[in-house]
Amino acid sequence: AQSVTQLDSQVPVFEEAPVELRCNYSSSVSVYLFWYVQYPNQGLQLLLKYLSGSTLVESINGFEAEFNKSQTSFHLRKPSVHISDTAEYFCAVRRGGGGSYIPTFGRGTSLIVHP
Amino acid sequence: KAGVTQTPRYLIKTRGQQVTLSCSPISGHRSVSWYQQTPGQGLQFLFEYFSETQRNKGNFPGRFSGRQFSNSRSEMNVSTLELGDSALYLCASSLGTASPGSGYTFGSGTRLTVV
Repeated sequence: AQSVTQLDSQVPVFEEAPVELRCNYSSSVSVYLFWYVQYPNQGLQLLLKYLSGSTLVESINGFEAEFNKSQTSFHLRKPSVHISDTAEYFCAVRRGGGGSYIPTFGRGTSLIVHP
Repeated sequence: KAGVTQTPRYLIKTRGQQVTLSCSPISGHRSVSWYQQTPGQGLQFLFEYFSETQRNKGNFPGRFSGRQFSNSRSEMNVSTLELGDSALYLCASSLGTASPGSGYTFGSGTRLTVV
């Protein structure tokens, strides 16, 4: 079985400040890791993912996440946030490889960017 | 290409009634998963369909059911509605096991309110 813990339910930050949203997972096998973002009244959108290879992955809008196997973490970071980054962020883990495995989602972290 | 389409966007039903929600996945996606999202429980997996077959089922009562048609469109049904069924119901499409690391594409959801 796998699980995901998002350590902060809410993260307030001022515009142009850096931010880190924390995600820890547990799994006895290899995993795929994902970050999704949900804007108000919308579904979730895939932000970035780690499958294999380089442990640092980036999104097109300036977010990055680093897979740390020893600490079983996949924290999301952005060096300078914008008001438009205000949203709910979900970390998800799925068992690696093929097969029909359902991803497990964290409870979400609400990022609130203040002007 | 068109995204995942969920209809209707909003729905108000009375306790005891039943409801049917619809989801059209991205063209070429044969896997459709359904999630219930509530503030208290976060994202809860309902079921997954692939090529008209239910492959996985979450821990929900039998009042929750679904099906998938030959064109990959999916419906979920909730019978004998309870107040606790009020939630955002999200549909997610993916390529399935052919591309396990591709992640989900979510629809905007159906907001169900039971009164």
